[in-house]
Amino acid sequence: DTGVSQDPRHKITKRGQNVTFRCDPISEHNRLYWYRQTLGQGPEFLTYFQNEAQLEKSRLLSDRFSAERPKGSFSTLEIQRTEQGDSAMYLCASSPRDRARYEQYFGPGTRLTVT
Amino acid sequence: TQLLEQSPQFLSIQEGENLTVYCNSSSVFSSLQWYRQEPGEGPVLLVTVVTGGEVKKLKRLTFQFGDARKDSSLHITAAQPGDTGLYLCAGTHINTNAGKSTFGDGTTLTVKP
Repeated sequence: DTGVSQDPRHKITKRGQNVTFRCDPISEHNRLYWYRQTLGQGPEFLTYFQNEAQLEKSRLLSDRFSAERPKGSFSTLEIQRTEQGDSAMYLCASSPRDRARYEQYFGPGTRLTVT
Repeated sequence: TQLLEQSPQFLSIQEGENLTVYCNSSSVFSSLQWYRQEPGEGPVLLVTVVTGGEVKKLKRLTFQFGDARKDSSLHITAAQPGDTGLYLCAGTHINTNAGKSTFGDGTTLTVKP
């Protein structure tokens, strides 16, 4: 098991551009989460999938953000028309099937810088 | 709003000292996790506690879950420079679904050699 992977690790983009991040969870983990983290803060919940179904989306997430998990395996997070306030670390985590303890295993994150 | 408050926000100690950091909420958790995060990396899971009053030990780290499942503490004995990092607690509240964990803002620990 290679753990949760994320790609790219770093992304620099100009304001107004679209960006897409990918997350590959631990195999057989049916739950997948996206979080955003800024300096000095803990991770902030963005959205959650169980298999391919998106079950919850944060009210803090604007319409410029969309996430998919088409086959219940990898997931993508897209940000359209990026703004400087979108600069943050975007973290993906997965959680094992049938575990009531809600332990989440995180990837290394994608650092987004919007100039 | 279900908030997790961590204290202290920053802690700087000498190698060999003991320390305790805290995680508090006014709400009840169904489970609580402690993570350690290094700069530029994702959080790494240290432990999960689920039962009120539970104590778990991981080498020099001792985790305790409050009897009412509203708070937790992490105690480190004889801290080492390798313990340096951001310690985060995260909880799933009893009334939320399986998907949503709330994180505290962490305690940044620096252990000086």
